Amino acid sequence: QKEVEQDPGPLSVPEGAIVSLNCTYSNSAFQYFMWYRQYSRKGPELLMYTYSSGNKEDGRFTAQVDKSSKYISLFIRDSQPSDSATYLCAMSASGAAGNKLTFGGGTRVLVKP
Amino acid sequence: DAGVIQSPRHEVTEMGQEVTLRCKPISGHNSLFWYRQTMMRGLELLIYFNNNVPIDDSGMPEDRFSAKMPNASFSTLKIQPSEPRDSAVYFCASSLMVVEKPEKLFFGSGTQLSVL
Repeated sequence: QKEVEQDPGPLSVPEGAIVSLNCTYSNSAFQYFMWYRQYSRKGPELLMYTYSSGNKEDGRFTAQVDKSSKYISLFIRDSQPSDSATYLCAMSASGAAGNKLTFGGGTRVLVKP
Repeated sequence: DAGVIQSPRHEVTEMGQEVTLRCKPISGHNSLFWYRQTMMRGLELLIYFNNNVPIDDSGMPEDRFSAKMPNASFSTLKIQPSEPRDSAVYFCASSLMVVEKPEKLFFGSGTQLSVL
């Protein structure tokens, strides 16, 4: 079993809909949680960064972390065709191991006009 | 800033040949990471450097892989000899690491490696 699980999709939604993405993980030492967006033939770019449990909002993006359930989510409101990409969750423990990120496999999202 | 620069963008080689991938991190960043991405295994960390020193190479698949960072502005990942199962997209990323927690990684556009 992988340390971080993520549904590969594709997840297809109409423009304007809410996109809901999630990851589950098994390592209780993870303290830092990130979402990266990756366009085709490009490297991932950081979207959201949260520490421990709770919610964080940035524009149309909301990240949620539930450490008790080992479950994190990313919501995209008012989705646009430009949001079509692969979304990867990433996690890390603290301390010396904090420099290493463990990535989920990514969920491909298609937003149709 | 030009971002993280990787070369070549594409590499096609035959099994048994040596392959060298190159990376120029963002100026001022003190940490550099090499990742490999495949459909089957996703994004895997191979090795990372801090201040040009290899800190963790536990992700390097086997002795055929080696990485160097001779100075703060250049790193190489070498595969010798290459095998078809090495075919993947290899990403270099850099960050400015201040304390022992993950900092924002800036990724290059990757090198698409195909070993025939």
